[in-house]
Amino acid sequence: DIQMTQSPSSLSASVGDRVTITCQASQDINNYLNWYQQKPGKAPKLLIYDASNLETGVPSRFSGSGSSTDFTFSISSLQPEDIGTYYCQQYGHLPLTFGGGTKVEIK
Amino acid sequence: EVQVLESGGRLVQPGGSLRLSCAASGFTFSSYGMSWVRQAPGKGLEWVSVISGSAGSTYYADSVKGRFTISRDQTKNTLYLQMNSLRAEDTAVYYCAKSGANWGSFRFDPWGQGTLVTVSS
Repeated sequence: DIQMTQSPSSLSASVGDRVTITCQASQDINNYLNWYQQKPGKAPKLLIYDASNLETGVPSRFSGSGSSTDFTFSISSLQPEDIGTYYCQQYGHLPLTFGGGTKVEIK
Repeated sequence: EVQVLESGGRLVQPGGSLRLSCAASGFTFSSYGMSWVRQAPGKGLEWVSVISGSAGSTYYADSVKGRFTISRDQTKNTLYLQMNSLRAEDTAVYYCAKSGANWGSFRFDPWGQGTLVTVSS
């Protein structure tokens, strides 16, 4: 199974800061990586698919990049409504696997 | 509007069985794969199972293989998860999610609100 190592596990940043999360796959997954946001008490929501494609309706401050084993997710200017936990998910190989999550808080 | 809505979660004893349902609307159900993903209390996301649009292909996480069965009723636009031999570690919120049109396009959007399964005596 492919292991997805996500870091950091949590972070605290100020409104307006740039936030970056990384996800490393244990094997090459091409660009078969998605990013989700989960707000407290809510279901996850797809933000980025195929490593760098912004889902329709998602604000442009969110972005993703990377390929093969190393991926990055960024929020260019953190907003109060961005608090929650972010997960990467690979679909290069079955079984599908998620990263452990990054909890984002406002400082 | 594309929507999926889970139901069926409840308290069940270890070793028991339960069937979850997920009603889909707003899209051509038989054209899309569907998945189940679970989240134990206070923990991260764990993918459970996927089924293709035609129901011809299925796949399971090792943790549930041989105990859980995914299926779909195209006439009712409903996805199911039959859960047998339940264990305490199966306690979680279970989400269903619409997947891609092609087998291999495994991105989950949208997700339902989840249904809680508690396995305890």
